[in-house]
Amino acid sequence: DTGVSQNPRHKITKRGQNVTFRCDPISEHNRLYWYRQTLGQGPEFLTYFQNEAQLEKSRLLSDRFSAERPKGSFSTLEIQRTEQGDSAMYLCASSRYNSNQETQYFGPGTRLLVL
Amino acid sequence: AQTVTQSQPEMSVQEAETVTLSCTYDTSESDYYLFWYKQPPSRQMILVIRQEAYKQQNATENRFSVNFQKAAKSFSLKISDSQLGDAAMYFCATRISGTYKYIFGTGTRLKVLA
Repeated sequence: DTGVSQNPRHKITKRGQNVTFRCDPISEHNRLYWYRQTLGQGPEFLTYFQNEAQLEKSRLLSDRFSAERPKGSFSTLEIQRTEQGDSAMYLCASSRYNSNQETQYFGPGTRLLVL
Repeated sequence: AQTVTQSQPEMSVQEAETVTLSCTYDTSESDYYLFWYKQPPSRQMILVIRQEAYKQQNATENRFSVNFQKAAKSFSLKISDSQLGDAAMYFCATRISGTYKYIFGTGTRLKVLA
């Protein structure tokens, strides 16, 4: 169990550019979540995968955001045509579902700054 | 819609003392889960304690315990014998049973004074 990893840890980009973040969950965790956390706020749910299927996506997520988990292992989150309002910490979490005893394990996050 | 409210942006506690962090929530569902997460500075968020809404008994994990008042929709976290390592942001969260969406509060920053 090496924990959830996220890359890159920091990303600075110019407005209008595309960015992609990667999340590697704990092996054998079938659930994967993406969150966005802005300063002074709690994590805000973005999307959820069970294996490779994206089962829920926040209505707050614009069409510029897309996420994939092609083989049910790692996941990517892409933001197209970034805006300054996209500046935030993007957190990934994974879990292994066992009845209702689910524990999310969070990664260290990717901090995005859009100039 | 579910909401989670943490009305204390910041709390301080003396080392070895006890502190209680408040959380209220709103949901129309009867079957749900409540959580407290800890986010230390520059470190990963971890689960502190979990409570199933159908259980009347308050959850306890070592020095951490909750006071769950279902009718009042209140879910406070008590930290006993506070340690310097307890200093962190604490987030209250909820999830409706059978769904995947976690709703988090805005957090309480806990400072532990030596």
